Amino acid sequence: DSGVTQTPKHLITATGQRVTLRCSPRSGDLSVYWYQQSLDQGLQFLIQYYNGEERAKGNILERFSAQQFPDLHSELNLSSLELGDSALYFCASSATGGLSGANVLTFGAGSRLTVL
Amino acid sequence: SQQGEEDPQALSIQEGENATMNCSYKTSINNLQWYRQNSGRGLVHLILIRSNEREKHSGRLRVTLDTSKKSSSLLITASRAADTASYFCVNAGGTSYGKLTFGQGTILTVHP
Repeated sequence: DSGVTQTPKHLITATGQRVTLRCSPRSGDLSVYWYQQSLDQGLQFLIQYYNGEERAKGNILERFSAQQFPDLHSELNLSSLELGDSALYFCASSATGGLSGANVLTFGAGSRLTVL
Repeated sequence: SQQGEEDPQALSIQEGENATMNCSYKTSINNLQWYRQNSGRGLVHLILIRSNEREKHSGRLRVTLDTSKKSSSLLITASRAADTASYFCVNAGGTSYGKLTFGQGTILTVHP
């Protein structure tokens, strides 16, 4: 157990639907990262939050949104789902988010999304 | 982008042999990290080497860093079947506040 909790572990839904993935960072970590991993695209950086604020953005689609709440948990919302959104979605957390010191990421076990 | 590019894409060896993976990066470095991913699982941090270090050891892992060539290598000695995984490098730290992008990784297969 890495200390980063992701729910749900598996999710099957239909095209056009909307889902929410949840992440609780490791205790004491202020920064949360979201990654998407598919067979053809590899591990893609989506977005980073630090203490509730967006810090860095990657190739996140407009249909996707995320936020980090005051208790530091984060949610990734995926809407108007397409077949190509089927992937493993990872959350990772770090203590400083790259602002100081070494920025070591602790990954969760992932949420596997299947869009039918 | 602080993406690292791993080489080779795939490596197949026998148990007991050494495995060497390479990483190249383009931007200035604060520290470079290696991660391992077992199939379908989250990445696990293995080792971090700072820009002012040239070599670092952790158990059976040895990492080198050559900032003049913007490259790093990960050596796993006396490999085991349990080392079968994908290995990724990432250039972390610096001024990008953690936009950490991973490459395609090296897929290591260790045959018993």
